[in-house]
Amino acid sequence: ETGVTQTPRHLVMGMTNKKSLKCEQHLGHNAMYWYKQSAKKPLELMFVYNFKEQTENNSVPSRFSPECPNSSHLFLHLHTLQPEDSALYLCASSQGPNTGELFFGEGSRLTVL
Amino acid sequence: GIQVEQSPPDLILQEGANSTLRCNFSDSVNNLQWFHQNPWGQLINLFYIPSGTKQNGRLSATTVATERYSLLYISSSQTTDSGVYFCAVYALNFGKGTSLLVTP
Repeated sequence: ETGVTQTPRHLVMGMTNKKSLKCEQHLGHNAMYWYKQSAKKPLELMFVYNFKEQTENNSVPSRFSPECPNSSHLFLHLHTLQPEDSALYLCASSQGPNTGELFFGEGSRLTVL
Repeated sequence: GIQVEQSPPDLILQEGANSTLRCNFSDSVNNLQWFHQNPWGQLINLFYIPSGTKQNGRLSATTVATERYSLLYISSSQTTDSGVYFCAVYALNFGKGTSLLVTP
C-alpha cells in the first residue's frame, strides 16, 4: 500500500468508447502525474499537475484528457483511442513537482480493441 | 532534459549471487530514486537517495552526486528480486531499466 490508489486495475475498451481512469492519493501531496508504459518500453511522462494546475503536457494526443479537481484526485479521460494506446497507465504523486519522493499507484492496464 | 542511463540492460543471476546495478545521469541532481517494478507492473520504492549511502536489508544504494552516478547493490539475491529496476532523476527522467532474472 503506497497511499496512491488507481481504478480500474484492468480496462478493455473499443476504439469508439469513452472511459476514465481514476487516481486518488492519501499522502497530502500537491503534485500528481500520469505516466504511460508500453510493453518493453520505459516510462513516459504524460501530464503533471501541481495544486490542480497542469504544469506539463508532453505532447500527448488530445484523445487523452486529464482532469485534476483537487490535489488528491486525478483522472484520465479516454476517448476514440487506438490499439497502440494499449499500455499500463501509472499514476504517481509527490510533495511538489520534482520535489520529494515519488509514490506510484498499482497501475491501470488498458487494452484497446 | 537530464539523460539517465542504466546498466546493464539485462542480468541473469543464480539465487544467492550478488549484483550491482548502475545509473549514470548527465547533470547535477538533488532528487534520485530507485524503483523495482514487479511482474504485475507495480513500481515499488526502494530508495530515495539524492546523495550518500542507504541500506535496507539485502539492498543498499550509493549516490555520488558530484560524479553523477548511483549504484544499487543486491546481495544474496532471491527469485522474488526478479523484475525491472528503474532509476529516476526527478519525476521527469527515468532510465530504461535493468531487467533482472534470478533463477533457483
